[in-house]
Amino acid sequence: KAGVTQTPRYLIKTRGQQVTLSCSPISGHRSVSWYQQTPGQGLQFLFEYFSETQRNKGNFPGRFSGRQFSNSRSEMNVSTLELGDSALYLCASSLGDRGNEQYFGPGTRLTVT
Amino acid sequence: QQPVQSPQAVILREGEDAVINCSSSKALYSVHWYRQKHGEAPVFLMILLKGGEQKGHEKISASFNEKKQQSSLYLTASQLSYSGTYFCGTVGQAGTALIFGKGTTLSVSS
Repeated sequence: KAGVTQTPRYLIKTRGQQVTLSCSPISGHRSVSWYQQTPGQGLQFLFEYFSETQRNKGNFPGRFSGRQFSNSRSEMNVSTLELGDSALYLCASSLGDRGNEQYFGPGTRLTVT
Repeated sequence: QQPVQSPQAVILREGEDAVINCSSSKALYSVHWYRQKHGEAPVFLMILLKGGEQKGHEKISASFNEKKQQSSLYLTASQLSYSGTYFCGTVGQAGTALIFGKGTTLSVSS
């Protein structure tokens, strides 16, 4: 079974630009969650989607948004990029129940200059 | 609310044991444990559910005290491959998302 895939793997953007990251979950998984990882801050929760609906949202500004498609693939968008948005963005998929484990993708490394 | 992990870092020699703790201020439905090696994605280790059920596929044990909203991960007879950052994640009973702590860095040397 193929794992979670994320594209692109690396991205360099300039302040003020916007970016879209993509995540394809494991086949059959209906939940996709997004996390931001920076040194010392661990995994900060961004949002969770289940069957095309946002089920939970973390404490991030409105510049961060996401969506999920009918095939469970998900995208997240960051507008008006700031230097502080430089991070590893991880997505994770699961079957969707609270008792299910999540499987992480390799992440997208975003650098904002 | 983010769970609190302790200690922040552990240094071990091969064969030694360690315990990593995770505590939350909210009522929990489940506790999840993951390990992340440098430059890699976090990998699932174990889930502990309210009511006592556990799911995992590593030779690692853990406990979940539902009354105290605390969990501990027990690493016994550590191996070099155990090195990495361990994250605990918690899901609240209200159906909240999986929220992770800041992690515990484990270094095992020979």
